[in-house]
Amino acid sequence: QQQVKQSPQSLIVQKGGISIINCAYENTAFDYFPWYQQFPGKGPALLIAIRPDVSEKKEGRFTISFNKSAKQFSLHIMDSQPGDSATYFCAASMTNTGTASKLTFGTGTRLQVTL
Amino acid sequence: ETGVTQSPTHLIKTRGQQVTLRCSSQSGHNTVSWYQQALGQGPQFIFQYYREEENGRGNFPPRFSGLQFPNYSSELNVNALELDDSALYLCASSYSPAGGNEQFFGPGTRLTVL
Repeated sequence: QQQVKQSPQSLIVQKGGISIINCAYENTAFDYFPWYQQFPGKGPALLIAIRPDVSEKKEGRFTISFNKSAKQFSLHIMDSQPGDSATYFCAASMTNTGTASKLTFGTGTRLQVTL
Repeated sequence: ETGVTQSPTHLIKTRGQQVTLRCSSQSGHNTVSWYQQALGQGPQFIFQYYREEENGRGNFPPRFSGLQFPNYSSELNVNALELDDSALYLCASSYSPAGGNEQFFGPGTRLTVL
């Protein structure tokens, strides 16, 4: 059962454009939503994260928009650059558990930023 | 500050064999989580270790086992390897097992089962 659905699978954006990646979740107990960036041959690295008490979080060119009622969240990359070309994963987890706080990942979006 | 390191980088095994993967956590981190990332998929949680004990497990069979050592480093052991075990195995460390804490990932070990 896939609890976090991510789209699109791949995305091509021109330099300077806006990249938008969407995720939807099913488990309403999720309360922490990070986005990870992964370059080939590397492990995922945390880009930005949001909790459901806010609807938007911005860090530099990266913005997360969060819609709790729709159980959806999205990553916007403004002024996309060739160096942003990577695979992006959304994830979700529960923070108030008695055991491990595991990350549940989406299937990933391969972003290519062209010149 | 040293990041998360994993060894080996690549590994080729045959079906039925056993494999041990190693992970050194980032300095100051006491919690290690292991994930399996199949080609073209997102990482899937295998288990987490905290205070040298398994602290939660994903939907993986018992032939996936682990250890954590007093210095917080960890091992992932997989017995009776199957072709579907071919994947990138990622180790992530954090300073607490509690939710909402950033997990820092290592570069992974690429396991190929023939």
